[in-house]
Amino acid sequence: NAGVTQTPKFRVLKTGQSMTLLCAQDMNHEYMYWYRQDPGMGLRLIHYSVGEGTTAKGEVPDGYNVSRLKKQNFLLGLESAAPSQTSVYFCASRKGQGAPKAEYNEQFFGPGTRLTVL
Amino acid sequence: AQSVTQLDSQVPVFEEAPVELRCNYSSSVSVYLFWYVQYPNQGLQLLLKYLSGSTLVESINGFEAEFNKSQTSFHLRKPSVHISDTAEYFCAVSLALTFGGYNKLIFGAGTRLAVHP
Repeated sequence: NAGVTQTPKFRVLKTGQSMTLLCAQDMNHEYMYWYRQDPGMGLRLIHYSVGEGTTAKGEVPDGYNVSRLKKQNFLLGLESAAPSQTSVYFCASRKGQGAPKAEYNEQFFGPGTRLTVL
Repeated sequence: AQSVTQLDSQVPVFEEAPVELRCNYSSSVSVYLFWYVQYPNQGLQLLLKYLSGSTLVESINGFEAEFNKSQTSFHLRKPSVHISDTAEYFCAVSLALTFGGYNKLIFGAGTRLAVHP
């Protein structure tokens, strides 16, 4: 299994440009998450999904949109990038209901996408 | 609401010395606790977790953490560190859900462990 993969690994955008970050997992996980990591702030949840076709807002959703058209993919979109969105973005996934408790509560993370907005 | 405080943003230590990375949390309900490690230019990897049972949990590379409910702490320790342990360590907490809910993880700000020869 490849686990959780993210594309691209790096990207530089100009203010106002748009882009989509792709997260893919091959573990048949129900739940998927998008976080951003900023120095001194740990990871903050942007959006999440509890299953195919569902999305919900996290702590810092403004300026981002997401879609989960297929169970294995979770897309994060920036419609009009701003310098405040310069960050490292991580995707994560985990098993859904029915999994043993120890497995149900573990999130698996992708390698991250480093985004710079000029 | 849950919150996590990592008391030290940076911890420098010499190789083979012991280390403790501190983590305190606040919550009015039962929680699960996690330590994740992030090596330079990589994603997060789960180091260890406390879900229930024994309050002392261990990882495969010599780290251990003890859940202390009265002090609301989950400090990470290693008796002898290696250069290869240099990384950023994140403490995280989630609600103790058996099923349902989205298992939101709240992260601390991170502690950068720098091991020097």
